[in-house]
Amino acid sequence: GDSVTQMEGPVTLSEEAFLTINCTYTATGYPSLFWYVQYPGEGLQLLLKATKADDKGSNKGFEATYRKETTSFHLEKGSVQVSDSAVYFCAMSATNAGKSTFGDGTTLTVKP
Amino acid sequence: EAQVTQNPRYLITVTGKKLTVTCSQNMNHEYMSWYRQDPGLGLRQIYYSMNVEVTDKGDVPEGYKVSRKEKRNFPLILESPSPNQTSLYFCASSLIPFSKSEAFFGQGTRLTVV
Repeated sequence: GDSVTQMEGPVTLSEEAFLTINCTYTATGYPSLFWYVQYPGEGLQLLLKATKADDKGSNKGFEATYRKETTSFHLEKGSVQVSDSAVYFCAMSATNAGKSTFGDGTTLTVKP
Repeated sequence: EAQVTQNPRYLITVTGKKLTVTCSQNMNHEYMSWYRQDPGLGLRQIYYSMNVEVTDKGDVPEGYKVSRKEKRNFPLILESPSPNQTSLYFCASSLIPFSKSEAFFGQGTRLTVV
C-alpha cells in the first residue's frame, strides 16, 4: 500500500547550518507530494508542494524536488534559523483522491 | 479570517461515554478530513468527505463515525471511546481534494480516555 518514510529525528542544528530531511514514498501511480510544518501548539501548515515529476516546490527558503526515479522528495534549506524549529511532515496524495498519507514527522530544533 | 475551528481543544472522558468533536470551516471548502496524531506514528487519516453527504474511510476508521450534513461542518463521533483512542485529533479542509490544493488544519483536540 501507499506509504511515506521520513528521516528519523530529532534533528538538532546550529543557526545558519544546512538542513536536509529525507523523504521517500511508495505509491501506485504518480501522487502529489507535500511538506507540512507544525509549530508548537498549532495545527499543520502547508510549506510547499509538487504535483509532478521534476517539479520543485519552494517557500520561505525551503526547497524540495519531486524525484520519480528515486521516489523521493527531500526537504532542504541552506541556512536555518531558530524560528524554523518545528515538526516537519512529508505527505502524499494520489491525484483527485481524498486519501492522504503522512510520514511520522521529523522534529527540528535550531539552536542559536 | 479563514479558519478551521475544532471544539473542544482538550477533553478528558471515561471509557464508553459517547462524545463528539466538532469541526467547522468558513472557507466554503468541499473537502474535509479527520486525522489522529500519535507519537512515532505521525498523522493517520480517519475519515474524509469529498462533499456534503459523501464520506469515506481513511486508514484507521474503526471506532469512529462522521457525518457531513452541511458543507461547513464535519463532526467526529466516538460512540464508545476506549483508551486506545487517546490521541491528538486534527480536522482539515481544502477547496478541492487534498492532492490538488492546500489543506488548512484546525488547532487540534487533545483527547484522553480513561
